[in-house]
Amino acid sequence: GQQLNQSPQSMFIQEGEDVSMNCTSSSIFNTWLWYKQDPGEGPVLLIALYKAGELTSNGRLTAQFGITRKDSFLNISASIPSDVGIYFCAGSNTGNQFYFGTGTSLTVIP
Amino acid sequence: DTEVTQTPKHLVMGMTNKKSLKCEQHMGHRAMYWYKQKAKKPPELMFVYSYEKLSINESVPSRFSPECPNSSLLNLHLHALQPEDSALYLCASSQRWGNQPQHFGDGTRLSIL
Repeated sequence: GQQLNQSPQSMFIQEGEDVSMNCTSSSIFNTWLWYKQDPGEGPVLLIALYKAGELTSNGRLTAQFGITRKDSFLNISASIPSDVGIYFCAGSNTGNQFYFGTGTSLTVIP
Repeated sequence: DTEVTQTPKHLVMGMTNKKSLKCEQHMGHRAMYWYKQKAKKPPELMFVYSYEKLSINESVPSRFSPECPNSSLLNLHLHALQPEDSALYLCASSQRWGNQPQHFGDGTRLSIL
């Protein structure tokens, strides 16, 4: 299946800093999802994007659907310790399934 | 709290055992999914059920047998598993099969001895 590349693979940041991560694909997608997964739990849906160029916020999180339709971006402002976890993007083109990114592991240092 | 409930949370079984994983959702979703996830890796799709019918089987070995008794329940029957099958098994659901966001349960942590 298709694999989406997420960058960076891991991040270590100070509490209060802003975070940026991205997800790229070799294929065009028409839906992008962003999930956060805590240890021992399932992925939790953060943001869903359906239109190229779309910018959607959820609290301190903002995600964008890239205009090429081959990438998506997630920003977290003013990070806090509970932002720690693995962030996965997921994209769909055919509607048959979502392909997941390789994940970005975020560590927030108090 | 997740609206997709999976039981058990943890399962340890021998290679000759037969066990089942269960998943339940009461959101009225008509698509349900099984994923396998290894540590620090993304979830890998195993099966998709749409309106209680199996729609996708991602070439999963026959020792994994899914079942969808009704629109709220999804089971995964396990038999003669191998040590490499040890993983977190996640269930998810969405309103319909397609570009609808999937909502995950917390998974069953499976260990094969």
